[in-house]
Amino acid sequence: EAEVAQSPRYKITEKSQAVAFWCDPISGHATLYWYRQILGQGPELLVQFQDESVVDDSQLPKDRFSAERLKGVDSTLKIQPAELGDSAMYLCASSLEVRGEQFFGPGTRLTVL
Amino acid sequence: EDKVVQSPLSLVVHEGDTVTLNCSYEVTNFRSLLWYKQEKKAPTFLFMLTSSGIEKKSGRLSSILDKKELFSILNITATQTGDSAVYLCAAREKLTFGTGTRLTIIP
Repeated sequence: EAEVAQSPRYKITEKSQAVAFWCDPISGHATLYWYRQILGQGPELLVQFQDESVVDDSQLPKDRFSAERLKGVDSTLKIQPAELGDSAMYLCASSLEVRGEQFFGPGTRLTVL
Repeated sequence: EDKVVQSPLSLVVHEGDTVTLNCSYEVTNFRSLLWYKQEKKAPTFLFMLTSSGIEKKSGRLSSILDKKELFSILNITATQTGDSAVYLCAAREKLTFGTGTRLTIIP
C-alpha cells in the first residue's frame, strides 16, 4: 500500500543549529502539506504545495523556516536557526487533489535542546 | 480567524460503552469536515463530511454533519481498547484542526 515517507523519524538538535526534514508523498499526489503538531494540540498547517508551487504559506515563520518542492514530487522543510519552541512533531501529508483526503506520513519528532 | 473546538477534551469509558465526540467549527468558506484517529503516530483518516444530515458509517464508527448549527459528531458503539486514541476533527477550506479528544477505553 502506498504511503507517505518522511525522514528522519527523530531529530535532536541544539538551538541555533539548522535542521532539515524530507517528505516523499504518495506517487501521483499533486498536493503536499507540511504541518507542525505541538504536544496536546492539533496539527497546524505550515505550508501547502500544489505541484511545485506554494499555495499557502501564511502560517510559515518565514524568518527561520523555508520549504521547497523543486520538481513537484518530494519536499524539504528547513529550520535555521532552530529555537527551543520549535520542538514538535512535523507531519507531511499528501492528497490526490486539493480538497481530497489527506494521507499523513509517520512524522519527524524534533527536539531542540 | 478560523476556529475548530472539540469536546470533551478527554473521555474515559469502559469497554462496550458508546461514546459521542463533538466538534464545532467557525471557518471561512467551509467545504468539508474531516475526522481523524491519532494513536502514537500520524493521524489516520476516518471520515469526510460535506453534506448535512447524511450519516457516514464504518463498522462501529459513524459521523454526521449539521451545517446549519456548524457542528459534527463522531459516534463509536461497543467500544474496544483499540479505540483508545486522540480523535481529531478538521474543517476546510483551509484545513484547521481542533485540539482533539483523548479517548481512553478501560478493559
